[in-house]
Amino acid sequence: NAGVTQTPKFRVLKTGQSMTLLCAQDMNHEYMYWYRQDPGMGLRLIHYSVGEGTTAKGEVPDGYNVSRLKKQNFLLGLESAAPSQTSVYFCASSTKLPSRERANEQFFGPGTRLTVL
Amino acid sequence: AQSVTQLGSHVSVSEGALVLLRCNYSSSVPPYLFWYVQYPNQGLQLLLKYTSAATLVKGINGFEAEFKKSETSFHLTKPSAHMSDAAEYFCAVGSAGKSTFGDGTTLTVKP
Repeated sequence: NAGVTQTPKFRVLKTGQSMTLLCAQDMNHEYMYWYRQDPGMGLRLIHYSVGEGTTAKGEVPDGYNVSRLKKQNFLLGLESAAPSQTSVYFCASSTKLPSRERANEQFFGPGTRLTVL
Repeated sequence: AQSVTQLGSHVSVSEGALVLLRCNYSSSVPPYLFWYVQYPNQGLQLLLKYTSAATLVKGINGFEAEFKKSETSFHLTKPSAHMSDAAEYFCAVGSAGKSTFGDGTTLTVKP
């Protein structure tokens, strides 16, 4: 099993350009997440999905869009990149628990380092 | 809303010394709690998790954590630090299908 994979690993964009980050998981997980990690700020949730065809906003969704057309893939899009979106982006996935009040551990990809000039 | 607070953004210990990384949580329901480790230029990986079974949870690489409801704490410990333990550690609380992460603690191990 490859686990969670992310494409690309590195990317440099100019302000205003667009791009899509791809996340794929082969563990048949229901839930998938996109985070950004910035120095001293931990992980901040951008968007997440609780199943194929469904997405929801996280803590910092502005400037990003997502789609989950297939259960194994979760795409993160930047329509018009800004320097404030320079960050390391992580995708993660987890199984669904019977109790909706709780959440299970997450499996993370290796990250995408994005620089916006 | 659930939240976690990690006390100390940087912790430095000598090789062979006790490692103690502190985490306090806030949760409106009995929480699921996690510790993750992140090595440089890698994603996070699970060290251990608490899911309301035993209050003392053992994880990988000799780490363990104790859930203390009265103190709303879930501190991570290791009796003897190794150079390979140098990394960033994150505490997280899971609820409603998501996890909320602390800001992380960077552990430095001195020879």
